[in-house]
Amino acid sequence: NAGVTQTPKFQVLKTGQSMTLQCAQDMNHNSMYWYRQDPGMGLRLIYYSASEGTTDKGEVPNGYNVSRLNKREFSLRLESAAPSQTSVYFCASSGREGGNEQFFGPGTRLTVL
Amino acid sequence: ELKVEQNPLFLSMQEGKNYTIYCNYSTTSDRLYWYRQDPGKSLESLFVLLSNGAVKQEGRLMASLDTKARLSTLHITAAVHDLSATYFCAVALLDNTDKLIFGTGTRLQVFP
Repeated sequence: NAGVTQTPKFQVLKTGQSMTLQCAQDMNHNSMYWYRQDPGMGLRLIYYSASEGTTDKGEVPNGYNVSRLNKREFSLRLESAAPSQTSVYFCASSGREGGNEQFFGPGTRLTVL
Repeated sequence: ELKVEQNPLFLSMQEGKNYTIYCNYSTTSDRLYWYRQDPGKSLESLFVLLSNGAVKQEGRLMASLDTKARLSTLHITAAVHDLSATYFCAVALLDNTDKLIFGTGTRLQVFP
């Protein structure tokens, strides 16, 4: 039982390049999330998916797109990376059991030059 | 708009001492979560508080929730070095989603 997995762990991009961050969970959770973490700002929600086929914007969605490929996988795409998107990205998932507690992946450290 | 404030932001404390971290939030909610994050690592769930008056304890940490005061506390008893980490509270939005709003975190350092 791996929980929430993310790839890659580290990535360096040049301004304007695109990339997709992958996330998968094996806990049969309906809800999945993408957050970014910046120093001194805690975690901010980028996008959220309540179930397969549905997505919703969070606090900071600009510059990102998401795909809920199936119940297990939720990907985050940067179409044209900007230095302001340098951050640590966390994926999380939650289910109705246990009070909707969110479980986090190990994170992706992204640097945009 | 729900805002979540933690204080203090930084806490340096001696081993064996007690202290409390506070988490205030601006609008009504009935679910609050505490997480721990070690440097360079992911977030680990500590407590899930689901009702007014809820109290949970694990080892030297105890969390409580007062939904009327919109306040949660994380109390540390007889701190040890292993508790050094950043602690986040997160409050659930009452909009029929599972979205959370996180506080900015409290960085705790325990020294001998």
